[in-house]
Amino acid sequence: ETGVTQSPTHLIKTRGQQVTLRCSSQSGHNTVSWYQQALGQGPQFIFQYYREEENGRGNFPPRFSGLQFPNYSSELNVNALELDDSALYLCASSEWDRANNEQFFGPGTRLTVL
Amino acid sequence: AQSVTQPDIHITVSEGASLELRCNYSYGATPYLFWYVQSPGQGLQLLLKYFSGDTLVQGIKGFEAEFKRSQSSFNLRKPSVHWSDAAEYFCAVGPNDYKLSFGAGTTVTVRA
Repeated sequence: ETGVTQSPTHLIKTRGQQVTLRCSSQSGHNTVSWYQQALGQGPQFIFQYYREEENGRGNFPPRFSGLQFPNYSSELNVNALELDDSALYLCASSEWDRANNEQFFGPGTRLTVL
Repeated sequence: AQSVTQPDIHITVSEGASLELRCNYSYGATPYLFWYVQSPGQGLQLLLKYFSGDTLVQGIKGFEAEFKRSQSSFNLRKPSVHWSDAAEYFCAVGPNDYKLSFGAGTTVTVRA
């Protein structure tokens, strides 16, 4: 069973650019959540996708958007990057329809905005 | 609104000693509560969670946590710490297993 994978591992962008981060969910999982973890902070919930539809959103502006594909992998897109977007971006997958809905986290993508 | 406070930013404990990490939460209804551990370069791993039933929850790696509604607390404990327990620990609260609000974390250092 393959775990949650994320790509790329590290990324450096400049202010104003756009970035796409990718997440492959664990086999059998139909739900993906994205979190932003700034240095020295806990993760903050960005949004969740269930069966290709957004299923809840945290307090993030619209320039943070996402997609989920038929194979349940997911992308996080951030437009007009700001310095404060520098963070570790974590995705987590789970199987919504199960009684025990533990989220399994990937190792994250470290984004640096210069 | 939901939120979590972890009062201790950093704790140092000797190997073999007991460990207790504090967590206070704010939530309007019956919460789902979690403890996660994060090692350098790793994603978050779930140690344990509480959503109903017995207020003393057993988790992986010998950890346990106690839910105290009257104190809005969910403290994590381990009777005897191993060097491999050095990591960052996050408490989280949510309406379900998703959409969690995390605390700022407690870094645990284990000295020989």
